[in-house]
Amino acid sequence: GDSVTQMEGPVTLSEEAFLTINCTYTATGYPSLFWYVQYPGEGLQLLLKATKADDKGSNKGFEATYRKETTSFHLEKGSVQVSDSAVYFCALSASGNTPLVFGKGTRLSVIA
Amino acid sequence: GAGVSQSPRYKVAKRGQDVALRCDPISGHVSLFWYQQALGQGPEFLTYFQNEAQLDKSGLPSDRFFAERPEGSVSTLKIQRTQQEDSAVYLCASSEGARATEAFFGQGTRLTVV
Repeated sequence: GDSVTQMEGPVTLSEEAFLTINCTYTATGYPSLFWYVQYPGEGLQLLLKATKADDKGSNKGFEATYRKETTSFHLEKGSVQVSDSAVYFCALSASGNTPLVFGKGTRLSVIA
Repeated sequence: GAGVSQSPRYKVAKRGQDVALRCDPISGHVSLFWYQQALGQGPEFLTYFQNEAQLDKSGLPSDRFFAERPEGSVSTLKIQRTQQEDSAVYLCASSEGARATEAFFGQGTRLTVV
């Protein structure tokens, strides 16, 4: 079945450091890909998405590019802030009406 | 309300007890999803409603799990004869249309079975 694998955390970075969280997927067909973020004490929020190969999703300085050839959707940010500390989940949906399949999550801690 | 509301936020149940978890979706949202998130894991799909119709319950782990949405708005997830392995955060999400990808999540109910 469909699955998502993302790098294990926790990841600890200093403020203004470069962030990469790796995500690869296995799916039949052409899924849509997502990054969700869960801030402490809050629910999951959609951070960004891409629906077809070579699309780049971006939001709040975060970016991820849908790479079909490597089945990847790595999350990047050029300069992290303390407020970015959260758990990040990579996810896919095989089609518009199918539920999301999530990775295990990566906890990011950014220290000043 | 402004977002998806779940209650209670925390529930401690003795093994064998029945529990009911409530989800109030965003007003007017057609689709409603339940997910289970074990400690250190990502959310896993349990069941999906479109209005009052339960269109997919393939993720429910056993017949002890039951979900309903009788009037197409509020939903309840019921777990009978709880077991320790049921301990998890139960997440509810709703979306305006039928597309799961545009769903908004609640804060979840953390269930601990002792």
